[in-house]
Amino acid sequence: TQLLEQSPQFLSIQEGENLTVYCNSSSVFSSLQWYRQEPGEGPVLLVTVVTGGEVKKLKRLTFQFGDARKDSSLHITAAQPGDTGLYLCAGARAGNMLTFGGGTRLMVKP
Amino acid sequence: DTEVTQTPKHLVMGMTNKKSLKCEQHMGHRAMYWYKQKAKKPPELMFVYSYEKLSINESVPSRFSPECPNSSLLNLHLHALQPEDSALYLCASSQDWPEDRFYGYTFGSGTRLTVV
Repeated sequence: TQLLEQSPQFLSIQEGENLTVYCNSSSVFSSLQWYRQEPGEGPVLLVTVVTGGEVKKLKRLTFQFGDARKDSSLHITAAQPGDTGLYLCAGARAGNMLTFGGGTRLMVKP
Repeated sequence: DTEVTQTPKHLVMGMTNKKSLKCEQHMGHRAMYWYKQKAKKPPELMFVYSYEKLSINESVPSRFSPECPNSSLLNLHLHALQPEDSALYLCASSQDWPEDRFYGYTFGSGTRLTVV
């Protein structure tokens, strides 16, 4: 059983559309981290959210941490082809334990 | 320097070979990690080093042997691997717990390993 469930697994949209990716768990995490990974490269950190209810914005990306610190969402406004990639949420626990969700593969068509 | 450098980028090895993967960071991070990533799957944790000591081994087979010679270097020694061990091997580093919650992990670009 996966600790972190990400949905949807795949998303193919047109340029300019909005989208939301969800990351859910029955466990409480000390923080939720979002990464983006391109083919042949390692994941690159986008943001960390630590406090329950926290909202962070990174240009067209909005990240939210659930009040109970068990879930998170990533919303992209007016998606662009450059947003194409694998989006990974990851939950941090004590003792340097970072566990990844299954990932959301996003394709934005011009 | 804000990078994690992994070498080699690609490696093809036979099942009887011995090889090593190398990872280096100069960010002063005291936690370093090995992850394994199969195609179209998320990274899976293999090993964690904290202050140069092995703190977590996620039940990894003994044909994978990690080593942390100093705070900047992390190696993964490979011996008698199987074809199913072919994957992208990612090294990462971070501040030690609990600061890693705030600053996240820095990943290298990985070593694409093929076992033939």
